[in-house]
Amino acid sequence: EIVLTQSPGTLSLSPGERATLSCRASQSVDSSRLVWYQQKPGQAPRVLIYGASSRATGIPERFSGSGSGTDFTLTISGLEPEDFAVYYCQQFSGSPWTFGQGTKVEIK
Amino acid sequence: EVQLVQSGEEVKKPGESLRISCKGSGYSFTTYWISWLRQMPGKGLEWMGRIAPGDSSTDYSPSFQGHVTISIDKSFTTVYLQWNTLKASDTAMYYCATGGSAWTLWGQGTLVTVSS
Repeated sequence: EIVLTQSPGTLSLSPGERATLSCRASQSVDSSRLVWYQQKPGQAPRVLIYGASSRATGIPERFSGSGSGTDFTLTISGLEPEDFAVYYCQQFSGSPWTFGQGTKVEIK
Repeated sequence: EVQLVQSGEEVKKPGESLRISCKGSGYSFTTYWISWLRQMPGKGLEWMGRIAPGDSSTDYSPSFQGHVTISIDKSFTTVYLQWNTLKASDTAMYYCATGGSAWTLWGQGTLVTVSS
């Protein structure tokens, strides 16, 4: 099983600041099979980034993804109030499909 | 409208059985596998398993194999998640989701509470 470890667990930032979230895999992940989701309280997750770096439909340009192999990054270039949420990385590269434990981005 | 609509909240006792549902509409139901995911209270997401609407084949995470059953009724474009014997540890929010390169379409979630 591919274990995804996200860091940090919590990120305390102010609106307008840049957020950098990390996702490290226990073994190499096919970049085309790495996804980032955002989840707000009481809501289902929604996809932000697929294929490690492709923005999903309707996702603002301030969200970007990068990385390959075992290290992946989600960057939010300037936090908007609606971006404070929990973010998960997830892999479809090896079964069973797995998620990281999440990074909570909170208002400082 | 393209959507997955899940059945409502359930409160059950340990040892009871349960089946929850996820109905797809507004898209070609047989295009993508449909997965079930669990989110325990205050915790992260876990993939439980999936079903192919085209041929009803299934694929389970080892963590859930043998404890749940995923099935489908293609005529009603509905996928089911079933437990024969619930445990208190099954208390969670359950989501269905589908998509190609990622799970782009999610149900609203079904909260299952198992308590004596």
